[in-house]
Amino acid sequence: AQSVSQHNHHVILSEAASLELGCNYSYGGTVNLFWYVQYPGQHLQLLLKYFSGDPLVKGIKGFEAEFIKSKFSFNLRKPSVQWSDTAEYFCAVTRGGSARQLTFGSGTQLTVLP
Amino acid sequence: DAGVIQSPRHEVTEMGQEVTLRCKPISGHDYLFWYRQTMMRGLELLIYFNNNVPIDDSGMPEDRFSAKMPNASFSTLKIQPSEPRDSAVYFCASSTGPRYNEQFFGPGTRLTVL
Repeated sequence: AQSVSQHNHHVILSEAASLELGCNYSYGGTVNLFWYVQYPGQHLQLLLKYFSGDPLVKGIKGFEAEFIKSKFSFNLRKPSVQWSDTAEYFCAVTRGGSARQLTFGSGTQLTVLP
Repeated sequence: DAGVIQSPRHEVTEMGQEVTLRCKPISGHDYLFWYRQTMMRGLELLIYFNNNVPIDDSGMPEDRFSAKMPNASFSTLKIQPSEPRDSAVYFCASSTGPRYNEQFFGPGTRLTVL
């Protein structure tokens, strides 16, 4: 069965620090990769996605992610975090073929200290 | 566009009662998904529909759960009878186009079963 691993459960950073959140998936075929964010009390919103082409993907709010196929990874990065980035971040995968459902990682809670 | 609409936003009920959660997808979206979020299991897909037809219900926990989509603008998730372990946030999402397109999530229904 396909799984998505987010190894960092809770990350605490100070403002202006750099961020990298890890995401690994277990499926060996064609995948589409996503990062969603859930701000406190709000619904999930898409940060960025990868489906083909340049493995370095840029998203909203200064976030980017790099797809490394050989490592089955899709890590999320931001060079300088802000207090408003405090949220829970979810990596998600859809696999190849006709499947539509997202398989989510367990999430990483990011707390940015002012 | 109003986005995905879910009702109620909060539901508190007693064990054994029937619970019905409602979802209105974004107009024109032909895929509708129901997800459940708990601390223990994270975000998991329950069922999804394409053009009102259930495609994959393998995530539905047991026979107490049922979902319907009588038309393109409305879906329900019913739990009968409810149990305390059903307490969770239930999200509805909708999408259209290629499978790498964003799924738009609703605000969720927080269900508490006493």
